[in-house]
Amino acid sequence: DGGITQSPKYLFRKEGQNVTLSCEQNLNHDAMYWYRQDPGQGLRLIYYSQIVNDFQKGDIAEGYSVSREKKESFPLTVTSAQKNPTAFYLCASSPPTSGGIFVETQYFGPGTRLLVL
Amino acid sequence: AQSVTQPDIHITVSEGASLELRCNYSYGATPYLFWYVQSPGQGLQLLLKYFSGDTLVQGIKGFEAEFKRSQSSFNLRKPSVHWSDAAEYFCAVLRGGGATNKLIFGTGTLLAVQP
Repeated sequence: DGGITQSPKYLFRKEGQNVTLSCEQNLNHDAMYWYRQDPGQGLRLIYYSQIVNDFQKGDIAEGYSVSREKKESFPLTVTSAQKNPTAFYLCASSPPTSGGIFVETQYFGPGTRLLVL
Repeated sequence: AQSVTQPDIHITVSEGASLELRCNYSYGATPYLFWYVQSPGQGLQLLLKYFSGDTLVQGIKGFEAEFKRSQSSFNLRKPSVHWSDAAEYFCAVLRGGGATNKLIFGTGTLLAVQP
């Protein structure tokens, strides 16, 4: 079955520690995204990547880093600079577009809940 | 700046009753609009989308939404709610009018269904 997988489901971070959240897709999608979800605030975009080896900051990129070395994978690192990392993190991907317009439905993974010890 | 407003934070309906969840957007041109549903602790699932054409859009699970340009609204409806519809619902608009695939999400409406 094609889809998006995120691991782990729960992740605990100690003070000053960097942690990495995994996102893998086998949908052959070009674009991938990371969102952060906090209660009452909807989803906010952290980073996105439209193609391998390229990515852009979203609205709340400070304290986070990403890489896109493979089409299937878009890992997110929450660094020690992120002072309030407790949240639900969602990864998404979207298929290739045509006609010069980058508009396609985004499909979401099941999420990773990050908690601070 | 583009934005999405979901005025109702929490709604409770009885099973079998009709449902309407409100969504208002601000965007100068024709927007690309989406409704997603999220069950507790899960990712988001697309219910329906509006890109152009017929303003009444049919989605999965018996949901529909109507795009009303004059009211800047894209309300989600279902004629008869089932207990399994209890979830959080998010409206989203594509920012940039197609120049990018970045979404702006509303803050969500949590739906509870009474037996």
